[in-house]
Amino acid sequence: DTEVTQTPKHLVMGMTNKKSLKCEQHMGHRAMYWYKQKAKKPPELMFVYSYEKLSINESVPSRFSPECPNSSLLNLHLHALQPEDSALYLCASSHDGGRWETQYFGPGTRLLVL
Amino acid sequence: LAKTTQPISMDSYEGQEVNITCSHNNIATNDYITWYQQFPSQGPRFIIQGYKTKVTNEVASLFIPADRKSSTLSLPRVSLSDTAVYYCLVQSPDMRFGAGTRLTVKP
Repeated sequence: DTEVTQTPKHLVMGMTNKKSLKCEQHMGHRAMYWYKQKAKKPPELMFVYSYEKLSINESVPSRFSPECPNSSLLNLHLHALQPEDSALYLCASSHDGGRWETQYFGPGTRLLVL
Repeated sequence: LAKTTQPISMDSYEGQEVNITCSHNNIATNDYITWYQQFPSQGPRFIIQGYKTKVTNEVASLFIPADRKSSTLSLPRVSLSDTAVYYCLVQSPDMRFGAGTRLTVKP
């Protein structure tokens, strides 16, 4: 099974809402990633977890809060977002975060902040 | 950080071979070169990875010259379904996507 699943597929939220994005993989991977992708732009790395520990935070605003409850699950908690945070949020996983590993991406959650 | 440069867009016709070149002048000695494909509203998908010379799989070929300052992704006999954005990445030190090349295959 080489699938990374993400829920929900679409999310609309107001600026005062709290919501969470979920990502799951069952490939036994120990590294998981969050990316943000705006329209017609490349994905931008947000966070990297390796062995359930946050290893990279690309200076992401605190209104985005990642969580890795176990090696198969990755959450992104959203609070007090701004309209400019509207984007496709992609989750990915790889073996253990090594530099040359193939990353497997989920289909993404399309987020609209009103 | 190694930065990659690719053409912004390319057009081709069905059945033709397409070559997309990526420049990475500052590639480090132990860096690999990886290419991903992305369709609209989907996550990127791994195509091919190489370190030097030539790598071929069932989808594409990757040509890397001896100086490794560039690489060329070759897609044989493209079809309409190959219309996508193609990203070249050099993992130095972490995976960061460049602008990508938007390939449009016409009938």
